[in-house]
Amino acid sequence: GEQVEQLPSILRVQEGSSASINCTYENSASNYFPWYKQEPGENPKLIIDIRSNMERKQTQGLIVLLDKKAKRFSLHITDTQPGDSAMYFCAASPQGGRALIFGTGTTVSVSP
Amino acid sequence: GGIITQTPKFLIGQEGQKLTLKCQQNFNHDTMYWYRQDSGKGLRLIYYSITENDLQKGDLSEGYDASREKKSSFSLTVTSAQKNEMAVFLCASSRDNSYEQYFGPGTRLTVL
Repeated sequence: GEQVEQLPSILRVQEGSSASINCTYENSASNYFPWYKQEPGENPKLIIDIRSNMERKQTQGLIVLLDKKAKRFSLHITDTQPGDSAMYFCAASPQGGRALIFGTGTTVSVSP
Repeated sequence: GGIITQTPKFLIGQEGQKLTLKCQQNFNHDTMYWYRQDSGKGLRLIYYSITENDLQKGDLSEGYDASREKKSSFSLTVTSAQKNEMAVFLCASSRDNSYEQYFGPGTRLTVL
């Protein structure tokens, strides 16, 4: 089936630096791209999303970029804090109204 | 606001046992999902349902059954639990496939 590739799987950064996660998708008809954050022992929660009519979206310390030609989207966490340590998942809507396809996740670790 | 509840929170089963997990949502969402998450890994879609009595297979449907008894509830059955199986089963709901998915707290399965 369709897949969403997410890299890197593990990301270690220093507090105050930025962290970037990249995802690629297969279906050019995909129109919705959410990002979820999952803290240890918790359920995933939506932190930001972008639709195909936009190329960039920013909320607080998060930036999402979408390149439809390359079928690539990315999450950038600016000025990382220890509270940003978590697993992050990207997802893309596939063709035909089926369920979102999730990436395999990135474990982000922010050290003081 | 709304809430998703999953029961039980912890489930311990024996090899070969048939086990049922339940999920309820009061968002009045049309679509509901079941995911499996192995420790430190991504989300794998088992089944989803776009309306009452509808059922759609995900990539991981083999070994599972599901039932959407009514709009607010979606149950998952492990048809024959595998020895040493450990995973968290997450239920989610959304307005439709291009909107935010809200996740429940999960059911943690251990098979002895």
